[in-house]
Amino acid sequence: DAKTTQPTSMDCAEGRAANLPCNHSTISGNEYVYWYRQIHSQGPQYIIHGLKNNETNEMASLIITEDRKSSTLILPHATLRDTAVYYCIVRSQLNYGGSQGNLIFGKGTKLSVKP
Amino acid sequence: DTEVTQTPKHLVMGMTNKKSLKCEQHMGHRAMYWYKQKAKKPPELMFVYSYEKLSINESVPSRFSPECPNSSLLNLHLHALQPEDSALYLCASSRRQGRNTDTQYFGPGTRLTVL
Repeated sequence: DAKTTQPTSMDCAEGRAANLPCNHSTISGNEYVYWYRQIHSQGPQYIIHGLKNNETNEMASLIITEDRKSSTLILPHATLRDTAVYYCIVRSQLNYGGSQGNLIFGKGTKLSVKP
Repeated sequence: DTEVTQTPKHLVMGMTNKKSLKCEQHMGHRAMYWYKQKAKKPPELMFVYSYEKLSINESVPSRFSPECPNSSLLNLHLHALQPEDSALYLCASSRRQGRNTDTQYFGPGTRLTVL
């Protein structure tokens, strides 16, 4: 699985867009980028994932660069409830019975949304 | 519905106790996972079950004993734990193991304290 690099922490003003970067320069062609977040002492929450194209759902948008070496998670209008640790994870393709495809969490970015 | 439930929410046990953690999902997922998360650290994979059979054991000590009695239930039996085993234990499930297109959904976790 490709390694990811994220800033340790970020601040965002309430109501503004939060843009969380992730570097995954060693990503392979069939590896997906997943984003999860974890609000304090809760289980990780799935946000969004993508392969090549930009993706949007009700929670966020995922922008993947054309060379796929980095991505940005965008929370369009951050609220105080978006304060959490955000994990960017690259998942490899299936290798049945092996560990590929499993989630390997890095340290993530602690996003603090401030009033 | 993407709900994974875990019981109990909190558990305090002595080093000589035997206790069990329970996880349940009704999404028809055939892969279930146990993760351990120490304070201020990312989740770490412990076990993976695929079609009710143990597929991955990440070198977890034998004082942790997983069990998957049916496709909806996953247990983690605890015996003779140490204080350093105190952590948040997370359960997750996905449609199939290892497929990077299958999202893993997490439960809220059990906060375990070993005295």
